[in-house]
Amino acid sequence: DGGITQSPKYLFRKEGQNVTLSCEQNLNHDAMYWYRQDPGQGLRLIYYSQIVNDFQKGDIAEGYSVSREKKESFPLTVTSAQKNPTAFYLCASSIDREPETQYFGPGTRLLVL
Amino acid sequence: QKEVEQDPGPLSVPEGAIVSLNCTYSNSAFQYFMWYRQYSRKGPELLMYTYSSGNKEDGRFTAQVDKSSKYISLFIRDSQPSDSATYLCAMSGNAGNNRKLIWGLGTSLAVNP
Repeated sequence: DGGITQSPKYLFRKEGQNVTLSCEQNLNHDAMYWYRQDPGQGLRLIYYSQIVNDFQKGDIAEGYSVSREKKESFPLTVTSAQKNPTAFYLCASSIDREPETQYFGPGTRLLVL
Repeated sequence: QKEVEQDPGPLSVPEGAIVSLNCTYSNSAFQYFMWYRQYSRKGPELLMYTYSSGNKEDGRFTAQVDKSSKYISLFIRDSQPSDSATYLCAMSGNAGNNRKLIWGLGTSLAVNP
């Protein structure tokens, strides 16, 4: 089955801790995206990558970092600099020439202890 | 003013009703118009995709785009309890940074049996 997987489903972060959210896709998509979803705020783009070893900041990149070493994988690290990390994090992918049709993973809910 | 405006609801209808969901936008460069459906605690899934103006029908769902009024709609006929979800509109332009998706906040829909 082709699709996007995210892990873990729930993640707990302690103060001052960096945590990494996993995103893997086997759709052979070039482009991958990370969004944050908060109640009443809709989807906000954190980072996106159109090709391996290249990525761009989205609208709310501060306090986050990413890497794209493999086409299939786009992990997101929430650093200690992100002061309000509690949110639902969604990873998506698309064919690069069709960014409108994005396929989403099931999401990771990050909570602060 | 936000680029995309969407009433968050909630909208509650009886089973079998016709549902109308709407978004307005301000950027005349938008050419791609999408509706995504998101069930509670899941990732969004693409429901309908329209390029430029006009109507598109898929089963019980019809998407309409009126570029002159900068207004898009999603109609659901014979609504079912399984249609209960949040519906997100998204749109983008043709090239470069305009291809980035701009999202509405989502409308929460409950279809009551």
